[in-house]
Amino acid sequence: EVQLVESGGGLVQPGRSLKLSCVASGFTFSNYGMNWIRQAPGKGLEWVAYISSGSSYIYYAETVKGRFTISRDNAKNTLYLQMTSLRSEDTALYYCARYGYKSYYFDYWGQGVMVTVSS
Amino acid sequence: DVLMTQTPVSLPVSLGGQVSISCRSSQSLVHSDGNTYLHWYLQKPGQSPQLLIYRVSNRFSGVPDRFSGSGSGTDFTLKISRVEPEDLGVYYCLQSTHFPPTFGSGTKLEIK
Repeated sequence: EVQLVESGGGLVQPGRSLKLSCVASGFTFSNYGMNWIRQAPGKGLEWVAYISSGSSYIYYAETVKGRFTISRDNAKNTLYLQMTSLRSEDTALYYCARYGYKSYYFDYWGQGVMVTVSS
Repeated sequence: DVLMTQTPVSLPVSLGGQVSISCRSSQSLVHSDGNTYLHWYLQKPGQSPQLLIYRVSNRFSGVPDRFSGSGSGTDFTLKISRVEPEDLGVYYCLQSTHFPPTFGSGTKLEIK
Protein backbone atom coordinates (compact mmCIF):
# COMPACT_ATOMS: atom_id res chain seq x y z
CA GLU A 1 0.00 0.00 0.00
CA VAL A 2 1.37 3.39 -1.01
CA GLN A 3 1.79 5.67 1.98
CA LEU A 4 3.05 9.23 2.19
CA VAL A 5 3.41 10.77 5.64
CA GLU A 6 4.26 14.44 6.03
CA SER A 7 5.73 16.10 9.11
CA GLY A 8 7.50 19.25 10.21
CA GLY A 9 4.68 21.76 10.09
CA GLY A 10 3.73 24.26 12.74
CA LEU A 11 3.39 27.91 13.65
CA VAL A 12 6.22 30.15 12.44
CA GLN A 13 6.76 33.89 12.35
CA PRO A 14 6.93 35.78 9.06
CA GLY A 15 10.43 35.79 7.63
CA ARG A 16 11.44 32.60 9.41
CA SER A 17 12.17 29.15 8.00
CA LEU A 18 10.66 25.69 8.25
CA LYS A 19 11.50 22.31 6.74
CA LEU A 20 8.86 19.77 5.83
CA SER A 21 9.46 16.05 5.35
CA CYS A 22 7.48 13.34 3.61
CA VAL A 23 8.32 9.70 4.25
CA ALA A 24 7.22 7.29 1.54
CA SER A 25 6.51 3.59 1.78
CA GLY A 26 4.80 0.86 -0.19
CA PHE A 27 6.57 1.60 -3.48
CA THR A 28 10.06 2.09 -4.93
CA PHE A 29 10.52 5.74 -4.03
CA SER A 30 13.57 6.23 -6.25
CA ASN A 31 11.51 5.45 -9.37
CA TYR A 32 9.02 8.29 -9.01
CA GLY A 33 8.93 12.03 -9.36
CA MET A 34 7.46 13.79 -6.34
CA ASN A 35 5.63 17.04 -5.68
CA TRP A 36 4.52 19.43 -2.99
CA ILE A 37 1.03 20.87 -3.34
CA ARG A 38 -0.62 23.24 -0.90
CA GLN A 39 -4.12 24.30 0.07
CA ALA A 40 -4.77 27.51 1.97
CA PRO A 41 -7.56 27.27 4.56
CA GLY A 42 -10.90 27.02 2.79
CA LYS A 43 -9.26 27.46 -0.62
CA GLY A 44 -8.32 25.40 -3.64
CA LEU A 45 -5.18 23.52 -4.59
CA GLU A 46 -1.89 25.06 -5.69
CA TRP A 47 1.05 23.10 -7.04
CA VAL A 48 4.27 24.23 -5.33
CA ALA A 49 7.26 22.19 -6.51
CA TYR A 50 8.39 19.07 -8.37
CA ILE A 51 11.51 16.93 -8.22
CA SER A 52 12.33 14.10 -10.60
CA SER A 53 13.21 10.62 -9.41
CA GLY A 54 16.95 11.24 -9.50
CA SER A 55 16.77 14.94 -8.58
CA SER A 56 17.93 15.99 -12.04
CA TYR A 57 14.87 18.09 -12.74
CA ILE A 58 13.42 20.54 -10.25
CA TYR A 59 10.64 23.05 -10.85
CA TYR A 60 8.88 25.63 -8.68
CA ALA A 61 5.78 27.75 -8.76
CA GLU A 62 6.59 31.42 -9.27
CA THR A 63 5.04 32.21 -5.89
CA VAL A 64 7.76 30.26 -4.06
CA LYS A 65 10.73 30.36 -6.43
CA GLY A 66 13.84 31.60 -4.66
CA ARG A 67 12.37 30.96 -1.20
CA PHE A 68 11.54 27.22 -1.20
CA THR A 69 13.84 24.31 -1.99
CA ILE A 70 12.63 20.82 -2.80
CA SER A 71 14.98 17.89 -2.29
CA ARG A 72 14.92 14.17 -1.68
CA ASP A 73 16.96 11.38 -0.14
CA ASN A 74 16.23 8.17 -1.99
CA ALA A 75 18.18 6.10 0.54
CA LYS A 76 15.79 7.32 3.23
CA ASN A 77 12.64 7.31 1.06
CA THR A 78 12.11 10.91 2.08
CA LEU A 79 11.05 14.08 0.30
CA TYR A 80 11.78 17.52 1.76
CA LEU A 81 10.64 21.09 1.37
CA GLN A 82 12.86 23.76 2.88
CA MET A 83 10.86 26.95 3.22
CA THR A 84 12.57 30.27 3.94
CA SER A 85 11.41 33.90 4.12
CA LEU A 86 7.94 32.67 4.96
CA ARG A 87 4.98 34.97 4.40
CA SER A 88 1.44 34.95 5.71
CA GLU A 89 0.24 33.86 2.28
CA ASP A 90 2.27 30.65 2.65
CA THR A 91 -0.16 29.55 5.37
CA ALA A 92 -1.62 26.30 4.07
CA LEU A 93 -1.93 22.57 4.36
CA TYR A 94 1.03 21.13 2.49
CA TYR A 95 0.65 17.79 0.74
CA CYS A 96 3.31 15.63 -0.78
CA ALA A 97 2.08 13.80 -3.84
CA ARG A 98 3.55 11.19 -6.12
CA TYR A 99 3.70 11.69 -9.86
CA GLY A 100 2.34 8.56 -11.53
CA TYR A 101 4.96 6.51 -13.35
CA LYS A 102 5.58 8.02 -16.79
CA SER A 103 2.47 10.12 -16.37
CA TYR A 104 1.59 13.69 -15.57
CA TYR A 105 -0.87 13.28 -12.75
CA PHE A 106 -0.61 13.07 -8.98
CA ASP A 107 -1.76 9.57 -8.16
CA TYR A 108 -1.19 9.34 -4.39
CA TRP A 109 -1.24 12.08 -1.78
CA GLY A 110 -0.28 12.27 1.85
CA GLN A 111 -2.67 13.52 4.51
CA GLY A 112 -0.95 16.88 4.63
CA VAL A 113 0.88 18.97 7.21
CA MET A 114 -0.27 22.41 8.34
CA VAL A 115 2.01 25.44 8.13
CA THR A 116 0.82 28.64 9.77
CA VAL A 117 2.79 31.83 9.24
CA SER A 118 1.80 34.43 11.78
CA SER A 119 3.34 36.79 14.30
CA ASP B 1 -0.60 30.01 -16.43
CA VAL B 2 -3.53 28.03 -17.83
CA LEU B 3 -6.75 29.09 -16.15
CA MET B 4 -9.13 26.26 -15.32
CA THR B 5 -12.74 27.31 -14.87
CA GLN B 6 -15.10 24.89 -13.16
CA THR B 7 -18.86 25.17 -13.09
CA PRO B 8 -20.98 25.10 -11.11
CA VAL B 9 -19.37 26.13 -7.84
CA SER B 10 -21.98 24.19 -5.87
CA LEU B 11 -24.07 21.27 -7.05
CA PRO B 12 -27.01 20.00 -5.00
CA VAL B 13 -27.91 16.43 -5.84
CA SER B 14 -30.35 13.78 -4.71
CA LEU B 15 -28.88 10.43 -3.78
CA GLY B 16 -29.26 8.12 -6.74
CA GLY B 17 -29.29 11.00 -9.16
CA GLN B 18 -26.91 12.01 -11.93
CA VAL B 19 -24.79 15.15 -12.20
CA SER B 20 -22.25 16.74 -14.52
CA ILE B 21 -19.37 19.05 -13.70
CA SER B 22 -17.77 21.23 -16.34
CA CYS B 23 -14.13 22.24 -16.58
CA ARG B 24 -12.89 24.65 -19.24
CA SER B 25 -9.31 25.64 -19.87
CA SER B 26 -7.99 28.97 -21.17
CA GLN B 27 -6.01 27.14 -23.85
CA SER B 28 -6.02 23.77 -25.51
CA LEU B 29 -4.84 20.90 -23.33
CA VAL B 30 -3.63 18.77 -26.23
CA HIS B 31 0.05 18.07 -25.58
CA SER B 32 2.65 17.94 -28.35
CA ASP B 33 2.78 14.17 -27.75
CA GLY B 34 -0.89 13.91 -28.71
CA ASN B 35 -2.18 13.21 -25.22
CA THR B 36 -4.54 15.45 -23.24
CA TYR B 37 -3.48 15.77 -19.63
CA LEU B 38 -6.75 16.64 -17.93
CA HIS B 39 -7.55 14.83 -14.70
CA TRP B 40 -10.25 14.81 -12.03
CA TYR B 41 -9.97 14.56 -8.25
CA LEU B 42 -12.38 14.27 -5.35
CA GLN B 43 -11.56 15.75 -1.98
CA LYS B 44 -13.86 14.29 0.65
CA PRO B 45 -14.37 16.32 3.85
CA GLY B 46 -11.25 16.26 6.00
CA GLN B 47 -9.30 14.16 3.50
CA SER B 48 -6.63 14.68 0.89
CA PRO B 49 -7.63 14.71 -2.78
CA GLN B 50 -7.97 11.33 -4.48
CA LEU B 51 -7.52 10.68 -8.19
CA LEU B 52 -10.67 9.66 -10.01
CA ILE B 53 -10.02 10.13 -13.74
CA TYR B 54 -6.75 10.64 -15.59
CA ARG B 55 -6.16 11.81 -19.15
CA VAL B 56 -9.77 12.85 -19.69
CA SER B 57 -11.56 9.52 -19.51
CA ASN B 58 -9.49 6.82 -17.77
CA ARG B 59 -10.73 5.68 -14.38
CA PHE B 60 -8.04 5.27 -11.76
CA SER B 61 -7.65 1.98 -9.90
CA GLY B 62 -10.66 1.20 -7.73
CA VAL B 63 -12.86 4.03 -9.05
CA PRO B 64 -16.38 2.79 -9.77
CA ASP B 65 -17.80 3.02 -13.26
CA ARG B 66 -20.41 5.49 -12.01
CA PHE B 67 -17.70 8.06 -12.73
CA SER B 68 -16.95 8.96 -16.32
CA GLY B 69 -14.96 11.70 -18.00
CA SER B 70 -15.18 13.16 -21.46
CA GLY B 71 -14.18 16.14 -23.53
CA SER B 72 -11.44 17.48 -25.72
CA GLY B 73 -9.42 20.60 -26.42
CA THR B 74 -10.60 23.11 -23.84
CA ASP B 75 -13.92 21.68 -22.72
CA PHE B 76 -14.24 18.73 -20.33
CA THR B 77 -16.96 17.07 -18.28
CA LEU B 78 -17.11 14.73 -15.31
CA LYS B 79 -20.34 12.76 -14.97
CA ILE B 80 -21.43 10.95 -11.86
CA SER B 81 -24.38 8.60 -12.06
CA ARG B 82 -26.30 6.96 -9.22
CA VAL B 83 -24.76 9.36 -6.70
CA GLU B 84 -23.93 7.74 -3.36
CA PRO B 85 -23.21 9.41 0.01
CA GLU B 86 -19.48 8.63 -0.37
CA ASP B 87 -19.38 10.81 -3.51
CA LEU B 88 -19.96 14.00 -1.59
CA GLY B 89 -17.12 16.49 -1.40
CA VAL B 90 -15.27 18.91 -3.65
CA TYR B 91 -14.30 17.93 -7.18
CA TYR B 92 -11.27 19.48 -8.86
CA CYS B 93 -9.99 19.29 -12.40
CA LEU B 94 -6.26 19.49 -13.03
CA GLN B 95 -4.34 20.23 -16.20
CA SER B 96 -0.75 19.09 -16.53
CA THR B 97 -0.26 19.63 -20.25
CA HIS B 98 1.27 23.05 -19.67
CA PHE B 99 3.70 24.16 -16.98
CA PRO B 100 2.84 24.86 -14.22
CA PRO B 101 0.11 22.35 -13.50
CA THR B 102 -3.06 24.17 -12.49
CA PHE B 103 -6.27 23.15 -10.76
CA GLY B 104 -9.81 24.32 -11.18
CA SER B 105 -11.36 26.15 -8.25
CA GLY B 106 -13.56 23.22 -7.31
CA THR B 107 -17.19 22.10 -7.41
CA LYS B 108 -18.85 21.14 -4.16
CA LEU B 109 -21.24 18.23 -4.47
CA GLU B 110 -23.79 18.28 -1.68
CA ILE B 111 -27.09 16.69 -0.79
CA LYS B 112 -30.19 18.49 -2.03
